Amino acid sequence: DAGVIQSPRHEVTEMGQEVTLRCKPISGHDYLFWYRQTMMRGLELLIYFNNNVPIDDSGMPEDRFSAKMPNASFSTLKIQPSEPRDSAVYFCASSPNTGGKETQYFGPGTRLLVL
Amino acid sequence: AQSVSQHNHHVILSEAASLELGCNYSYGGTVNLFWYVQYPGQHLQLLLKYFSGDPLVKGIKGFEAEFIKSKFSFNLRKPSVQWSDTAEYFCAVRSNTGKLIFGQGTTLQVKP
Repeated sequence: DAGVIQSPRHEVTEMGQEVTLRCKPISGHDYLFWYRQTMMRGLELLIYFNNNVPIDDSGMPEDRFSAKMPNASFSTLKIQPSEPRDSAVYFCASSPNTGGKETQYFGPGTRLLVL
Repeated sequence: AQSVSQHNHHVILSEAASLELGCNYSYGGTVNLFWYVQYPGQHLQLLLKYFSGDPLVKGIKGFEAEFIKSKFSFNLRKPSVQWSDTAEYFCAVRSNTGKLIFGQGTTLQVKP
């Protein structure tokens, strides 16, 4: 398996622009997680899905952030409009549903820089 | 609320030194505990995990961790570190809702 795939790997954009991050989870995994990593705040869970349904979005910082999972093999995290403080590495992770003993597998991350 | 605390933010060791990174969690129920490693410029990878059974867990690359329920701790250890162990290490606890709660991370720098 190719593992969790994220695109783009790097994104540089100007403040106010829309940013869309993409994630393809490992085939067969029922859970998908979006994380943000910064020096100041460490690793934060933004939102996670189970069987394409958002379960907990309490970590989404504000309304500028939205996430969708239209099918089992694809998810997007959108920031509109983007701000410099959104600069971070965004990780997607997936895990199988194994009765509560799931291990999360992380993608390579998208390094976002908002100027 | 559940939380994970890693006491050491930055650790510097010489090669062959022994390593112990502290991790404490706050959660009263059954816990699943993890240590992840992030090498420079790379994504997080699982080092080891504890779900139940033997509280001493062996992971990859010679790492181990001990779950001490009475102390709410899950410290990571390695008898002899190598330069290639330079990385950031994250402790995490899985909540009853399924999501992982991560600690702030510990940066390990191993001098050759």
